[in-house]
Amino acid sequence: DTGVSQDPRHKITKRGQNVTFRCDPISEHNRLYWYRQTLGQGPEFLTYFQNEAQLEKSRLLSDRFSAERPKGSFSTLEIQRTEQGDSAMYLCASSLVKAIGGYYGYTFGSGTRLTVV
Amino acid sequence: AQTVTQSQPEMSVQEAETVTLSCTYDTSESDYYLFWYKQPPSRQMILVIRQEAYKQQNATENRFSVNFQKAAKSFSLKISDSQLGDAAMYFCAHHLRKTSGSRLTFGEGTQLTVNP
Repeated sequence: DTGVSQDPRHKITKRGQNVTFRCDPISEHNRLYWYRQTLGQGPEFLTYFQNEAQLEKSRLLSDRFSAERPKGSFSTLEIQRTEQGDSAMYLCASSLVKAIGGYYGYTFGSGTRLTVV
Repeated sequence: AQTVTQSQPEMSVQEAETVTLSCTYDTSESDYYLFWYKQPPSRQMILVIRQEAYKQQNATENRFSVNFQKAAKSFSLKISDSQLGDAAMYFCAHHLRKTSGSRLTFGEGTQLTVNP
């Protein structure tokens, strides 16, 4: 296993276009997270999944954003009608959380840098 | 809501010397995790060190150690014998134990430069 993979690494799109990013987590991890990071800032939580269920969404996740994790494996994050304010690094992470004996921390991917022109 | 504050946007250190990065946080809960993450220019966030709030002993990982002051809600990172490869953005982060595995709250980051 090579860790958390994100595709593409970079995306440039015109305002108003739709974009979709993919994240492949570590295979044995049951939780998957999306964060957004703007330049010079810390990551901000967007949403997370346990297996295929989306358990929490931030208010940052507007109606133009949708995330899915079909079959509890890879996840996609789609942004519709992109705006310049959507320009950011989108980070994916995964973790293993057990009912007993817990939690082993996040592993992050390298991110997808989105530029909206 | 939890907040994390890093008051040092930039720090620099000479190679082989020691540097301390500051972090304060605010929470009304008593049981939580604290983390320091490193983000090099390649952008992948890497866990440096983790501290569980119920443990009084400060965590250490090789050249990295923390000074956890629970009453003061302070969680500083000390890097000893700094190396050129330590240059990166460092983020302090927090989440509650009862929601383990959910959202992390990050600080604004500290850009560390290591001078040869």
